[in-house]
Amino acid sequence: DAGVIQSPRHEVTEMGQEVTLRCKPISGHNSLFWYRQTMMRGLELLIYFNNNVPIDDSGMPEDRFSAKMPNASFSTLKIQPSEPRDSAVYFCASSLFGRNSNNEQFFGPGTRLTVL
Amino acid sequence: KNQVEQSPQSLIILEGKNCTLQCNYTVSPFSNLRWYKQDTGRGPVSLTIMTFSENTKSNGRYTATLDADTKQSSLHITASQLSDSASYICVVTGNSGGGADGLTFGKGTHLIIQP
Repeated sequence: DAGVIQSPRHEVTEMGQEVTLRCKPISGHNSLFWYRQTMMRGLELLIYFNNNVPIDDSGMPEDRFSAKMPNASFSTLKIQPSEPRDSAVYFCASSLFGRNSNNEQFFGPGTRLTVL
Repeated sequence: KNQVEQSPQSLIILEGKNCTLQCNYTVSPFSNLRWYKQDTGRGPVSLTIMTFSENTKSNGRYTATLDADTKQSSLHITASQLSDSASYICVVTGNSGGGADGLTFGKGTHLIIQP
């Protein structure tokens, strides 16, 4: 398995532009997570899906952020309009969630976003 | 409020030396505690997971301990190597379901191994 795949790996954009980050989870995993990581705040959970359904989006900073999971093999995180304070590394992770699972999350390589 | 505090924030040691990283948590109820290693420019990778009944668990040169009474965990690295340079993140799961709403992340310890 190729692991969690994220694209793009790097994104530089100007304030006000729309940004779309993409994630392909590990095949067979039923949970998908979007995180944001900064030096100041560490890893922050933005939203997670279970069986393609958003379960908790309380970590989404504001309405400018939205996430979708149209099927089990693809998810997007969109920022519109982007602002300089959105600059961070965004990670996608997937796991097999269930009563007997140990909830290990497998992380993708991340997307480094810079908003000028 | 559930919290995970890690110390030190950063640490520099010489290659070959041992070191210990600390994780204190206030998460309750407790399900498990996991240590992740994050190399620069990469996503975190799980090193070890500990449940309530486990006191010690090893993964090569990494040994994690857990004291569920005092709500403390440590990660000991023996005979450090340059490849151990990374951030180490402590994550505590606070419910039996294991969903993300039960996860609390520490901010990590940044470890640098110098030759």
